[in-house]
Amino acid sequence: EAQVTQNPRYLITVTGKKLTVTCSQNMNHEYMSWYRQDPGLGLRQIYYSMNVEVTDKGDVPEGYKVSRKEKRNFPLILESPSPNQTSLYFCASSPKIGYGVEQYFGPGTRLTVT
Amino acid sequence: GDSVTQMEGPVTLSEEAFLTINCTYTATGYPSLFWYVQYPGEGLQLLLKATKADDKGSNKGFEATYRKETTSFHLEKGSVQVSDSAVYFCALSEYSTLTFGKGTMLLVSP
Repeated sequence: EAQVTQNPRYLITVTGKKLTVTCSQNMNHEYMSWYRQDPGLGLRQIYYSMNVEVTDKGDVPEGYKVSRKEKRNFPLILESPSPNQTSLYFCASSPKIGYGVEQYFGPGTRLTVT
Repeated sequence: GDSVTQMEGPVTLSEEAFLTINCTYTATGYPSLFWYVQYPGEGLQLLLKATKADDKGSNKGFEATYRKETTSFHLEKGSVQVSDSAVYFCALSEYSTLTFGKGTMLLVSP
């Protein structure tokens, strides 16, 4: 089944403890992206990747890192999480980025930082 | 920069009522337009899209028409069902990113 998977789905952690949220897609998509969803703010893009070893900042990159060493994986790294990073995170992928191309979303990771 | 504005919710309707969720956008060029739906506890999934002026996207009884003159892409459905209860996001894609509106929650009661 074609899908985007994220792990973990739920995570509670403490301020400053490094964590990684994994994202994997099995559709051979070139483009992958991370979003955070917050009440009243909708979805905001954190980072995106046009292909392997090519990443770029989105609208809210502060406090996050990403890497794209393989086409299928795009992990999101929080080196020193803070409470303002408590949010619902979505990974997405698409065959490419371009006119009319839809993105496919993972199920989400709910992160709480205390 | 690009932006999407959609009506705030929640929108509360009875089953079989007519639905309209307004969406307007600003863009520097000629974007593609999308409606995504998020059911409770799930990720977003594409509902419909349109890529040029006057195109009508449709799916599952929902429709939206790309109106370049009014920079709008309003979502409509003639008769909603309880199972349509979800959050609906209008979005545009112009270059390398997808820009979302803040989302509109729809609640449909029997």
